[in-house]
This record gives sequence, C-alpha cells and structure tokens, in this order.
Amino acid sequence: GAVVSQHPSWVICKSGTSVKIECRSLDFQATTMFWYRQFPKQSLMLMATSNEGSKATYEQGVEKDKFLINHASLTLSTLTVTSAHPEDSSFYICSARVAGDSTDTQYFGPGTRLTVL
Amino acid sequence: AQSVTQPDIHITVSEGASLELRCNYSYGATPYLFWYVQSPGQGLQLLLKYFSGDTLVQGIKGFEAEFKRSQSSFNLRKPSVHWSDAAEYFCAVGAGYGQNFVFGPGTRLSVLP
Repeated sequence: GAVVSQHPSWVICKSGTSVKIECRSLDFQATTMFWYRQFPKQSLMLMATSNEGSKATYEQGVEKDKFLINHASLTLSTLTVTSAHPEDSSFYICSARVAGDSTDTQYFGPGTRLTVL
Repeated sequence: AQSVTQPDIHITVSEGASLELRCNYSYGATPYLFWYVQSPGQGLQLLLKYFSGDTLVQGIKGFEAEFKRSQSSFNLRKPSVHWSDAAEYFCAVGAGYGQNFVFGPGTRLSVLP
C-alpha cells in the first residue's frame, strides 16, 4: 500500500517551454502532497506543500509563478515548470501523506528527471 | 527550528559486515523520526519510522533503528549488509502532525563484494 506514482519519469524540453509533472497517490487519499527538488549528490529541497483544494504554500526562494502547483483532487497534484530554462534541470520528487495518518509519514514517488536544453 | 545531521557522507562496508548509519537531530520535543533509502535515479523508500512507544524500531529489509532521547540520535543498523543495500540513506525529522520534514544531508553506502 501507499504507492505514489509520477509521470513522466523523465522529460527533455527546449528552453522557454512549459512542462507538467503529475503526482498520483494510487491506493490512498492524500490531503497533503509535497514537491521536492534534488540536485546531484544532494539532499532533498522542499519546494512547496500542496493541500487539496487550496493554494500551495511555497518555501522561501521558490518562485510560485514559475513552479505552478495544482492539487485538484485527493489523488492528484501537478507541478508545472513554466518557461523552463537550463537551470531548472533537476530531479523533481513528490511525496504524499495518507489522509488521517497521524504519524506524518510521507510516501515518495519515483521522481522525474527534467532536462532543459 | 529542527535540524538533522548525518555525520558520515560516505561509508563503505564489506558484504556481510554489520552497518550503523548515524543520525542526530535537534528539536525541543519528541520528534517523528524516519529513515528513507534512495537508489540511484529513484524516489525514496521508507525503511522505518518512530513516533512513539518502543524506542527500538524494526523496518523493512532487515533494518532497525534505535531512538535515544538523551543523545538526540536515531541510528540505523543492519547486522549483515547485502550488495543490494548500496544506496543513499536519508534521515528525516517531522516536527509534529501537519509539519514538514527536515531531511539530513544523506549518507552514501557502498558495499564491497
């Protein structure tokens, strides 16, 4: 149980285009989802917290107009990287909390590798 | 604010040897504590967690961890390492229900045949 999927697993795009990444909880409802960014050989950096039906909360330094997050249902959150540039190339990972789980456990997706040319 | 340190950036052990990965945290109350493992190019898999009760926690793949309040530590152990355990290991701290995690910098484990 508690499986999280991400799509696509990797994507290559041209500079200036937008890319959408989907994060789905497959076998549970997730009231809260998180988006992280990970640089090579580094830890995870929290970008934003996404709650179903409300606006995402962005961490300091993360441009909310560039990284658009939508959490329209209890099983789906999307991250759209708008007007992508090479410096946005990274590994993006989402996670989700099971609704009603009081232990705060986050279950992670497999990640999406974004390369901007 | 809470913080997490993993003093060892990289550890190399021989297959079959025992393993201990260190994790220290800074937090005023009893935190929620987690260990995750990440294989190259993959997401994070939950190994085990502590949130209350018995301070020795059993996880998947033969891992265990012990919460020691007096030392603010939550070290991960495995009695006999397998080659497939080679990966990056992250310790994480949660400040309480609804709060975000703080991740440690990670420890990379290499396993010699």
